[in-house]
Amino acid sequence: QKEVEQNSGPLSVPEGAIASLNCTYSDRGSQSFFWYRQYSGKSPELIMSIYSNGDKEDGRFTAQLNKASQYVSLLIRDSQPSDSATYLCAVNMGAGAGNTPLVFGKGTRLSVIA
Amino acid sequence: DAGVIQSPRHEVTEMGQEVTLRCKPISGHNSLFWYRQTMMRGLELLIYFNNNVPIDDSGMPEDRFSAKMPNASFSTLKIQPSEPRDSAVYFCASSLAGGYGYTFGSGTRLTVV
Repeated sequence: QKEVEQNSGPLSVPEGAIASLNCTYSDRGSQSFFWYRQYSGKSPELIMSIYSNGDKEDGRFTAQLNKASQYVSLLIRDSQPSDSATYLCAVNMGAGAGNTPLVFGKGTRLSVIA
Repeated sequence: DAGVIQSPRHEVTEMGQEVTLRCKPISGHNSLFWYRQTMMRGLELLIYFNNNVPIDDSGMPEDRFSAKMPNASFSTLKIQPSEPRDSAVYFCASSLAGGYGYTFGSGTRLTVV
């Protein structure tokens, strides 16, 4: 069974703080990793992708990947109330570069308090 | 680009009726995915197509569900007969091959009463 696990939250952080979201996955052969943001009543929106071990930064967002630990994280610096949403971790659990489907975690609900 | 287009946005139907959900992927994307989202189970893959060919439908709950992709710009997901437990948000997503992320449509909120 291919699984992606996330803490459901809610995770509450004050405005301006760093929010840290975590995700573990079951398939050691996974190649591609994504973070999606989903506002209430809206569709998931891709915000970060990461394919290699280490950190990848994009504006206030940093994705971190540790394949040996099967662990992915997303850091949001200078959190804003507009960052309040559910964050979904998604993992491509197929070997190779083929377009096998993403497996999604159930998401972590983030609340940024002004 | 208009993105992934789904219709209808909302559907309320009576148990036993046929429901058809529609999706137009982003032009040039060669993979299409149908997901269902509920509070209890999150996003679950139902079926996906590569180059209009169904690759894996093991996520389709039962024979009441069927999906087609007659060409690169259109796909349908049909439920016949519908049941209250089918109530959920159904998302269509498309992507390029090669492990890229997906673009989701706005979803169809289905309520079966």
